[in-house]
Amino acid sequence: QKEVEQNSGPLSVPEGAIASLNCTYSDRGSQSFFWYRQYSGKSPELIMFIYSNGDKEDGRFTAQLNKASQYVSLLIRDSQPSDSATYLCAVNGEAAGNKLTFGGGTRVLVKP
Amino acid sequence: GAVVSQHPSWVICKSGTSVKIECRSLDFQATTMFWYRQFPKQSLMLMATSNEGSKATYEQGVEKDKFLINHASLTLSTLTVTSAHPEDSSFYICSATPALTGGYTFGSGTRLTVV
Repeated sequence: QKEVEQNSGPLSVPEGAIASLNCTYSDRGSQSFFWYRQYSGKSPELIMFIYSNGDKEDGRFTAQLNKASQYVSLLIRDSQPSDSATYLCAVNGEAAGNKLTFGGGTRVLVKP
Repeated sequence: GAVVSQHPSWVICKSGTSVKIECRSLDFQATTMFWYRQFPKQSLMLMATSNEGSKATYEQGVEKDKFLINHASLTLSTLTVTSAHPEDSSFYICSATPALTGGYTFGSGTRLTVV
C-alpha cells in the first residue's frame, strides 16, 4: 500500500465548475498536509497546507482534512483553464522526521 | 519572501562526467534542505536530506557516492551527480522550509539530460 494515494486522473472539469481532488494517507501519525500544483516541466507550487481537522479556505481553494478517516481533499471553485495542472498531495509527520511524502498526483483538465 | 533559487535550470552533459546543481535560500536560513528527483509522469521522490554542517541523510536505494551532497552554509546546498549516465537524466528539485511560512518551498528545478 502506498503511503499517500491519489487518483491519477485525468479529472476533466468544465470551466466554472468545482474540481474535487482526494488524497488518502496511511501514517496515522501524520501531522501536516500540503497541496501543491505542478505545471508540466515546472517545479511544484504550494497552494495551501492544513494541520487541523475541518476546512481551510484560501481564495478559490478549500482544503478539507479528516484525520479519523486519514483523508484530505482539495476543492477548486470556479475552475479556470489556467488551473489545468497536476495536483500533488504531500504529508509529513513525526515518524518521517521533517520529510514530505508525496502522492502520485492528480492531473486536472479544465475545459473552456 | 521565502524564495529558493536553483541553478542551473537545465544542463546537458556527456556520459561519465559530473554535474553540480546549486540550491540557495535567498531570504531565510535553511539548516535542512531536501533533494528530490522526478521522472516523467511520476511524482517527486525524495533522494536525500541535506543538513548544514553535517552529512546528508540518503533515502533507501540512493547511492551516496554517486549523488554527493554538500551543505556548507545556512543558505547553500549542492548536489553533484558524479559519473552521470543516461539513466540519471531526470528533473532534480530542491526544497527548504522557511520557518515563518511553515510550508515547503521548492526551487525551480534542474532538468538534467545525460547523452
